[in-house]
Amino acid sequence: DAGVIQSPRHEVTEMGQEVTLRCKPISGHDYLFWYRQTMMRGLELLIYFNNNVPIDDSGMPEDRFSAKMPNASFSTLKIQPSEPRDSAVYFCASSDSGTGGGYTFGSGTRLTVV
Amino acid sequence: GDSVTQMEGPVTLSEEAFLTINCTYTATGYPSLFWYVQYPGEGLQLLLKATKADDKGSNKGFEATYRKETTSFHLEKGSVQVSDSAVYFCARGNAGNMLTFGGGTRLMVKP
Repeated sequence: DAGVIQSPRHEVTEMGQEVTLRCKPISGHDYLFWYRQTMMRGLELLIYFNNNVPIDDSGMPEDRFSAKMPNASFSTLKIQPSEPRDSAVYFCASSDSGTGGGYTFGSGTRLTVV
Repeated sequence: GDSVTQMEGPVTLSEEAFLTINCTYTATGYPSLFWYVQYPGEGLQLLLKATKADDKGSNKGFEATYRKETTSFHLEKGSVQVSDSAVYFCARGNAGNMLTFGGGTRLMVKP
């Protein structure tokens, strides 16, 4: 398996623009997580899905953030409008509840909002 | 709620030194315990895990033993290399397939 695939790897956008981050989880995994990582706040859980259904979005910082999982092989995290304080590395991770083996993380998307 | 506490970094060592990174967890239930490693510019990778008391997880020369009596899961390596420089995260499993992560400990190994 190719692992968790995120795109793009890097994104530079201007303040006010819409940004869409994409994630393809490992086939067969039933959980998907979106995290944000910054130097100041460390690793933060934004939202997670189970069988494509959002379970807990309490970590989503504002209404400007939204996430979807239309099917088992694809998820998006959208920021509209983007602000400079959204600059961070965004990670997607997936897991298989049947194995209890922890999460597999993607390589992340480094977002810079100027 | 459930939490994981790690020693704050950075930890700076010379090559071939002995490494210990402390990790303790709240003792709710009997969680699985994990260590993840994050190399510069990459995502977190599972390094090792243990699922029950007295289990020892090991990988790439790293070891950690699940100590129920002290609620600890300290990471150790006998001889670190420059290539081990990374951020290390301790985590505990919770209900609903969730993980709670510690704050991470940055390790810097100098030649």
